[in-house]
Amino acid sequence: GQQVMQIPQYQHVQEGEDFTTYCNSSTTLSNIQWYKQRPGGHPVFLIQLVKSGEVKKQKRLTFQFGEAKKNSSLHITATQTTDVGTYFCAGNRLTGGGNKLTFGTGTQLKVEL
Amino acid sequence: NAGVTQTPKFQVLKTGQSMTLQCAQDMNHEYMSWYRQDPGMGLRLIHYSVGAGITDQGEVPNGYNVSRSTTEDFPLRLLSAAPSQTSVYFCATRRDTYNEQFFGPGTRLTVL
Repeated sequence: GQQVMQIPQYQHVQEGEDFTTYCNSSTTLSNIQWYKQRPGGHPVFLIQLVKSGEVKKQKRLTFQFGEAKKNSSLHITATQTTDVGTYFCAGNRLTGGGNKLTFGTGTQLKVEL
Repeated sequence: NAGVTQTPKFQVLKTGQSMTLQCAQDMNHEYMSWYRQDPGMGLRLIHYSVGAGITDQGEVPNGYNVSRSTTEDFPLRLLSAAPSQTSVYFCATRRDTYNEQFFGPGTRLTVL
């Protein structure tokens, strides 16, 4: 079945440092979504990318979708304590996946002052 | 609008007991899903539905049943609880396949 892995699993940074999480799928995806989950909370949608090589920005966050549509990344510039949480990617398989949205394993970000 | 609601918030069961986790949405979304979240494993799809009367299995369906008699409700039934089902359960909805998912607040379940 489709597997979506994220690295790293955990990341501790000092406030102001940059952060990147990588998402890799074993199969080609039709789209990639990113979610953020604050400690004790539920996942909240951040963005969706659908085109090969697509790059989107939201303030300090930059999202990329790979050319082969099998990988993606989220980069945060100059982290703040409000960035703390777990970041998940999720995607629909391009073929044979039906309506299933498969989530990655997540990257937990901690930001220290 | 309440969005997606889940009850209960917390539940403790003994092995072998059965229970139903409730999920309701007022967003008129056709798609509803149940996920379980365990440390280091992300969110794993249990069952999902693309509309009233239609359900299908996800990655980890064993030990769980669902039904979808209305657009609004999508209950998850644990038939005979096992300690391996200790987890946080999230219900989610979306308008269609390629739209964002909206998650409920979750149910934290412990099976002793």
